[in-house]
Parts: sequence; C-alpha cells; structure tokens
Amino acid sequence: GAVVSQHPSRVICKSGTSVKIECRSLDFQATTMFWYRQFPKQSLMLMATSNEGSKATYEQGVEKDKFLINHASLTLSTLTVTSAHPEDSSFYICSARDGGNRGYTFGSGTRLTVV
Amino acid sequence: EDQVTQSPEALRLQEGESSSLNCSYTVSGLRGLFWYRQDPGKGPEFLFTLYSAGEEKEKERLKATLTKKESFLHITAPKPEDSATYLCAVQAYGGYQKVTFGIGTKLQVIP
Repeated sequence: GAVVSQHPSRVICKSGTSVKIECRSLDFQATTMFWYRQFPKQSLMLMATSNEGSKATYEQGVEKDKFLINHASLTLSTLTVTSAHPEDSSFYICSARDGGNRGYTFGSGTRLTVV
Repeated sequence: EDQVTQSPEALRLQEGESSSLNCSYTVSGLRGLFWYRQDPGKGPEFLFTLYSAGEEKEKERLKATLTKKESFLHITAPKPEDSATYLCAVQAYGGYQKVTFGIGTKLQVIP
C-alpha cells in the first residue's frame, strides 16, 4: 500500500534556529502534499498545500516566511520552520493522496520541541 | 465553512462491549468522508472512505456508515488493541482538496 515517510520523528532545537522536516512518498508520486499541525487534544489543522513545481498554498493565519515549503520533486516535500520559537513546538504531520480509494496517507509525524 | 463534530470526546469500554462513535458534519457538497485511527505520537492511519449516504464499509471489528448529516463508526466486540483516537474528516467538492478534521474520539478498551 501507499507509504509516506516523514523524518525526523523527533527534533529538539534552540530558539532562533531553523528546522527542516522531510516528507517522502515511497511507492507513488504525489503532485500535492499537505502539511498539518496538531496541538494536544485538538484536531489536525491544515497549514499549507504543497504543489510540485509551484508555490505552496497557505491557510489563513499561517506565516509563509516562517513555514517555508518546498516541493521540488514528485516524491519529496519539505517544511522548514525558520527562526523557531517555543510557541512553534507542536506535532507536524504531512500527507499525500495516492490516487486510489484509500483517502489520504499520512506520515508518522514530527514532534518539534523548541527550547 | 466545513465543520466536523465528533462525539463523545472520550469513551471507555470493557473488552467485548460494542459501541458507536458519532461524526456530525456540515459541508457544502460532500466529496468524501474519511475515518482514521491515530495512536499516540503517530500519524493517522487510514480506515475508510465513504462517498454517499447509505454507504457502509467494514474492516474486522469496525463498520462505518454514512447519512446526509452524520457518520457512525461501529465497534463490535472491541479488544484492548482497538484503543486509539478515531478521527473523522470531510472533503468538499471544489476548492483544492482541503480535508477538515474533527477533534477525534479517544477510545480506551479495558481488558
């Protein structure tokens, strides 16, 4: 079945530094990938839609310059959290649709802690 | 704006005690309704996609049903390994494939 690989699974960084999260579709091509953020006891909130070869589409309230998205190939999208601050600490998850009847396949998530 | 409301927020069952989780939704035109299972610290795992009212899908002890206003996830004779948070999500026609999630129902099955 469709697999989406996300790395790293956990990262701790210092305030003011940048962190890159990778999302790869392993056995299918994904022209579109999605980035979500999840706070404890809250639903997944869509941050942005990543489009291969073009600019990402950001949801209202999401800072484009802070959350940089690059979708350079049909199997890889990256999310870079720039100048991270403690309030950026959260669980970040990517997803993609493989074109079948399986809905959207999610990565395993990245727990970001900014200290 | 699309909305998804799940109830209850938490559910505790004895092993073997069947029950149902509810997902009420408001969407301009339903393209698909999804059920996912999420374990702590993991990404959601796909369970079902439902497309039209009256549709039902089954997988092991789980059965998902859909009406024009809500969906149910029925759990028959649950086992402790069924403990997880179950998420419901909807996608509307038009737009750019945006999927809207509910907050989930946290299920605990006690041996």
